[in-house]
Amino acid sequence: GQSLEQPSEVTAVEGAIVQINCTYQTSGFYGLSWYQQHDGGAPTFLSYNGLDGLEETGRFSSFLSRSDSYGYLLLQELQMKDSASYFCAVRDPDRDDKIIFGKGTRLHILP
Amino acid sequence: GAGVSQSPSNKVTEKGKDVELRCDPISGHTALYWYRQRLGQGLEFLIYFQGNSAPDKSGLPSDRFSAERTGESVSTLTIQRTQQEDSAVYLCASSSRPSGANVLTFGAGSRLTVL
Repeated sequence: GQSLEQPSEVTAVEGAIVQINCTYQTSGFYGLSWYQQHDGGAPTFLSYNGLDGLEETGRFSSFLSRSDSYGYLLLQELQMKDSASYFCAVRDPDRDDKIIFGKGTRLHILP
Repeated sequence: GAGVSQSPSNKVTEKGKDVELRCDPISGHTALYWYRQRLGQGLEFLIYFQGNSAPDKSGLPSDRFSAERTGESVSTLTIQRTQQEDSAVYLCASSSRPSGANVLTFGAGSRLTVL
């Protein structure tokens, strides 16, 4: 089976950089995804790492280290609109490729 | 359709009544998920349909909850004898055949309030 751990809350200042970590335990691994959910909205896909290293999309980057079973989401030049919950997710090959989500990290941004 | 469609968007019901929530996934998506999300909480997995495989019902919290899916299209989530603790947003998501990121597209959700 799969399990993911991520901090429940993170607080950062507008304009700063914040990192949200995710560690996972898997019996098989097909990469790590990240989703963003604003209050009252639905989760939306942000990024995916299938291989080790850094993937960059504008102000957001995601990193994966398969040897450490660890990844993170990096948000730069934080804006108030980045206040949201962020979920890491993996695919479970032992359960018909079911997507498993972490419990989510609530990001609070201070002005 | 262009996205995942859920109905109703809002449902208020009395304790003890049955409710049905509907999800129309993206055309061609073989996988369909139902999640429950209580206010300020994470995504609670309920059920997973993947093609013609037997559904993964391991997340259904009690036998009052059931879900059906017609082929690779519409799904309905039924909650019988609703309780106040069932009040939450019910999210549906779909994805295409597993590969790479296997991106899930979520619907806007059905907000259920049990009085």
